[in-house]
Amino acid sequence: GAGVSQSPSNKVTEKGKDVELRCDPISGHTALYWYRQSLGQGLEFLIYFQGNSAPDKSGLPSDRFSAERTGGSVSTLTIQRTQQEDSAVYLCASSPDRIEQYFGPGTRLTVT
Amino acid sequence: GQQLNQSPQSMFIQEGEDVSMNCTSSSIFNTWLWYKQDPGEGPVLLIALYKAGELTSNGRLTAQFGITRKDSFLNISASIPSDVGIYFCAGYNSGGSNYKLTFGKGTLLTVNP
Repeated sequence: GAGVSQSPSNKVTEKGKDVELRCDPISGHTALYWYRQSLGQGLEFLIYFQGNSAPDKSGLPSDRFSAERTGGSVSTLTIQRTQQEDSAVYLCASSPDRIEQYFGPGTRLTVT
Repeated sequence: GQQLNQSPQSMFIQEGEDVSMNCTSSSIFNTWLWYKQDPGEGPVLLIALYKAGELTSNGRLTAQFGITRKDSFLNISASIPSDVGIYFCAGYNSGGSNYKLTFGKGTLLTVNP
């Protein structure tokens, strides 16, 4: 079946602009996660959704970051007023059981 | 919070060699997972381990859930060039409202043909 998809695959934006990153999870997966991965680094947890609600937003780096999930499916991560330090790969994962997480290919964000 | 120590940080091996890497924790996990990330891709789940002492294989990959529940090992036999990538371990504890995986920082594997 279809895996997790993310769009766009690459995004180059100017400092100060807003960006939206999209995640389409595997159908039926109730849990959804966003992570950030800087060059050569590990996975930094950002936010977790169970259904449409986000019990844990503690990983969001600042109030410029927000995320929503609609219909228990698609999720959007929004970064307002982007800064150069926001440049990274943003990964989305979904899970049927909060244990086995299945990742998308990521969105590579470059802020110039 | 819980932390995972993954070692080695990087490995350079010749094609055909066997590889071993491990992950240790100061606290117990009741599930261990191993992921592989190819360059430019998201991590892919390789093996999930649910029982202490469990030994599970997936092709040339074998992973073990340590008997103390504080460690896990991944072995790759007869490495090939496509084994190149970053290998992440992750631990999970069920119960309550827990929902997060704790990830190691990864082992970068380079295979010389």
